[in-house]
Amino acid sequence: NAGVTQTPKFQVLKTGQSMTLQCAQDMNHEYMSWYRQDPGMGLRLIHYSVGAGITDQGEVPNGYNVSRSTTEDFPLRLLSAAPSQTSVYFCASTVGRMNTEAFFGQGTRLTVV
Amino acid sequence: GEDVEQSLFLSVREGDSSVINCTYTDSSSTYLYWYKQEPGAGLQLLTYIFSNMDMKQDQRLTVLLNKKDKHLSLRIADTQTGDSAIYFCAERESGGYQKVTFGIGTKLQVIP
Repeated sequence: NAGVTQTPKFQVLKTGQSMTLQCAQDMNHEYMSWYRQDPGMGLRLIHYSVGAGITDQGEVPNGYNVSRSTTEDFPLRLLSAAPSQTSVYFCASTVGRMNTEAFFGQGTRLTVV
Repeated sequence: GEDVEQSLFLSVREGDSSVINCTYTDSSSTYLYWYKQEPGAGLQLLTYIFSNMDMKQDQRLTVLLNKKDKHLSLRIADTQTGDSAIYFCAERESGGYQKVTFGIGTKLQVIP
C-alpha cells in the first residue's frame, strides 16, 4: 500500500542547478498536485494535473515545470534553482473531482544554497 | 480569491479539550477539511464536513460549521500528547478544478 511516493526526501542544490522531484501514485488517481510549504505561508499550489497529458498552473508556478505523461507519475522540475525555492514540497493525489480526500506524499525538503 | 485564516499556535493541557478555529472566504465551498501534520510527515486527512452540514462528530473530534459567518472549528476532546501536531483547515472550491486552499496551520502543543 504505497500510496503517494516522493523522492528524494532531502536535497541540497546550488543556485542555478536543475533537478527533478519525483512523485508517483499507485491508486489510479486522476488528479495530482504539487504544493510547497513555507513557514507562515501554509501550503501553496504550484502546478496541478487533472489527468494524463493535462497540466495547469497553480498560485506559484514560476520557476517550475511539470509534465504528466502517465497517470502514475507527476514530476516537478526546477529549471534553475534559486534560494527562494528552499522549501518543503508535497505531492498530492485525489481520485477525481468529487472525491473528498487528498493523499499526500511524505515531502521533499529542498535547500538551495 | 479564496482565503483561509487560522491562528498560529494553541497550547492545552493533556486531558483538556482543544478548539482550533478557522475562517474562510469562499461562500460556495463544497467541502471543508481538517488535516493533521506530524513532524517530518505529510498531511493526513482527519475529518471533513459538507458545506450544508452544521456539525460532524467522529470519536474525539467534533467539527462545527457556521456557514453564515464562514467559521469552522475543530474540537478535540480529552487531548493527548499524541495530538501535538500542526492542524490545517482547508476549503474546496465548487467550480473548475475544485482547488483546495489551505490555511497556514495551527500548531497544537499538548502539555503533559
